[in-house]
Amino acid sequence: GQNIDQPTEMTATEGAIVQINCTYQTSGFNGLFWYQQHAGEAPTFLSYNVLDGLEEKGRFSSFLSRSKGYSYLLLKELQMKDSASYLCAPLDSNYQLIWGAGTKLIIKP
Amino acid sequence: IAGITQAPTSQILAAGRRMTLRCTQDMRHNAMYWYRQDLGLGLRLIHYSNTAGTTGKGEVPDGYSVSRANTDDFPLTLASAVPSQTSVYFCASRAGQDTGELFFGEGSRLTVL
Repeated sequence: GQNIDQPTEMTATEGAIVQINCTYQTSGFNGLFWYQQHAGEAPTFLSYNVLDGLEEKGRFSSFLSRSKGYSYLLLKELQMKDSASYLCAPLDSNYQLIWGAGTKLIIKP
Repeated sequence: IAGITQAPTSQILAAGRRMTLRCTQDMRHNAMYWYRQDLGLGLRLIHYSNTAGTTGKGEVPDGYSVSRANTDDFPLTLASAVPSQTSVYFCASRAGQDTGELFFGEGSRLTVL
């Protein structure tokens, strides 16, 4: 079967760094997306990894290890507006996104 | 502003009633999707369409139907609503079934009593 594991909730301090991990098992693999979703809003695209390694985009970076079925999202210089849920979604052999339940990130002053 | 428009944004519906959620995109994307999102669960795919004229079933299609008469529109119909269909529904699109990121509409919050 297909399975996505992410921590349910994490707490971090404003200005700090946080790493949100995601492990996955899918039938086939064609890349992995990370999305951000603020409460009551639609998900918005953060990153896409298809090859192993680290992709950096401003304060956000995403890492992928295909052999380990593992990805993480790294958020630096945390701001209060980063309080949101972060969704990990690998693409299966049919190019369908398989969604995890998401990690709710709480930022404290 | 280009994007995806969903309507209605919110609706309360009596059980047994028929309901259509509308979705329109102006990005000329080929692939479109309907998801439902429930508390504590990931987004679950209801139906999808890889191109105009074709549709497919997702993970939770029972009780829902879709049509894709043209590129822009992808309505979702609940033939006879039941309380378990209370959820937030998101329409989404991608340039192609294997191309680009997913863009989401703002969501439709549906309550079935």
